[in-house]
Amino acid sequence: AQKVTQAQTEISVVEKEDVTLDCVYETRDTTYYLFWYKQPPSGELVFLIRRNSFDEQNEISGRYSWNFQKSTSSFNFTITASQVVDSAVYFCALSEALETSGSRLTFGEGTQLTVNP
Amino acid sequence: DAGVIQSPRHEVTEMGQEVTLRCKPISGHNSLFWYRQTMMRGLELLIYFNNNVPIDDSGMPEDRFSAKMPNASFSTLKIQPSEPRDSAVYFCASSRQVVSGNTIYFGEGSWLTVV
Repeated sequence: AQKVTQAQTEISVVEKEDVTLDCVYETRDTTYYLFWYKQPPSGELVFLIRRNSFDEQNEISGRYSWNFQKSTSSFNFTITASQVVDSAVYFCALSEALETSGSRLTFGEGTQLTVNP
Repeated sequence: DAGVIQSPRHEVTEMGQEVTLRCKPISGHNSLFWYRQTMMRGLELLIYFNNNVPIDDSGMPEDRFSAKMPNASFSTLKIQPSEPRDSAVYFCASSRQVVSGNTIYFGEGSWLTVV
């Protein structure tokens, strides 16, 4: 069975601090995909990144960076120089390969990030 | 391009009433998903369709819940009769291909309150 664990329920930082959100996953698939989504206070789910299991290269997008380590089954997300607008719930998710067809996401519990001015 | 469109955004209804949530997926996407988000259970998959055909409805909580996709651009999630424990945010999502790992894009959600 697939499982995603986000051990940090809530994180509070002061603006301009760096913050890392942890994500650990479990899967028996050899091919899988990992995602991060952001849910701001307005409620929508915003796609941030997708990474496949064969690509362990770290990725940077502006102030966002992602560290994928297959050896520890982790896909951590770092926000550099955090801003108040980064305040949101962040979800890590795992895409499983299904026998029938298609794909679906298994979500972690989410981490509530609050960035204080 | 328009994203996934859901309606209504907010609904308050009385226990026992029928509730119908609607979704228009992104054009060209052939996979559609219904998720429910609650404080207790987080985000959970209710049902998903590929090419308008329901593939897995094991997440549908009870017979009171039903979902249809009559064509590639429209889906409904119906709750009849509704109960207070159905109060949640219901997300519709879609993806392009029937392949593991394609990005799933979410609508803004339908916030349901059953009193």
